[in-house]
Amino acid sequence: AQSVSQHNHHVILSEAASLELGCNYSYGGTVNLFWYVQYPGQHLQLLLKYFSGDPLVKGIKGFEAEFIKSKFSFNLRKPSVQWSDTAEYFCAVLAYSGAGSYQLTFGKGTKLSVIP
Amino acid sequence: EAQVTQNPRYLITVTGKKLTVTCSQNMNHEYMSWYRQDPGLGLRQIYYSMNVEVTDKGDVPEGYKVSRKEKRNFPLILESPSPNQTSLYFCASRTTGLGNNEQFFGPGTRLTVL
Repeated sequence: AQSVSQHNHHVILSEAASLELGCNYSYGGTVNLFWYVQYPGQHLQLLLKYFSGDPLVKGIKGFEAEFIKSKFSFNLRKPSVQWSDTAEYFCAVLAYSGAGSYQLTFGKGTKLSVIP
Repeated sequence: EAQVTQNPRYLITVTGKKLTVTCSQNMNHEYMSWYRQDPGLGLRQIYYSMNVEVTDKGDVPEGYKVSRKEKRNFPLILESPSPNQTSLYFCASRTTGLGNNEQFFGPGTRLTVL
């Protein structure tokens, strides 16, 4: 079964600091990759996605992620965080799981706290 | 507006009292699923459905039931809730296969079982 690892459980940054959240997955075939964000008290919303083409994808609110196939990684970055980026971030991988179905697997999430 | 709706948003109940959480999507998605979210454990899939009348267990199905009689609806049923089912529940939907198929989430249902 595929798995998704997010390296950091909780990251604390000051405003204007740069952010990089790690995500690695275990599946060796074709994948679709996602980052979701969950603001306090809210549901998960799509931040960005990768299906094919340019491995550097840009999402909403200045976030971007780079797909490195050789490293099975899809790290999330933002050059300068704001207090409003305080949220939990989930990496997810969609891959073929057999019998004609595709399974979406989530990492355990990384909580980001941005200090004003 | 494309959306997934859930009801109720908040529910406090007692052990053993059957309850149903409804979920509906308006995007004609084939795939629907239920997750529970608990601190430190991330999102865990309870059940999923690839189409009408097709359902399957996820990672944590014990104590839950689902049905998929119509494409748009996917209710979650707790026949005899217990305190360890106190959690935040999310319904989600997407198309099947690879491609432009982001998963949409409902607003969540916070369930407390006393």
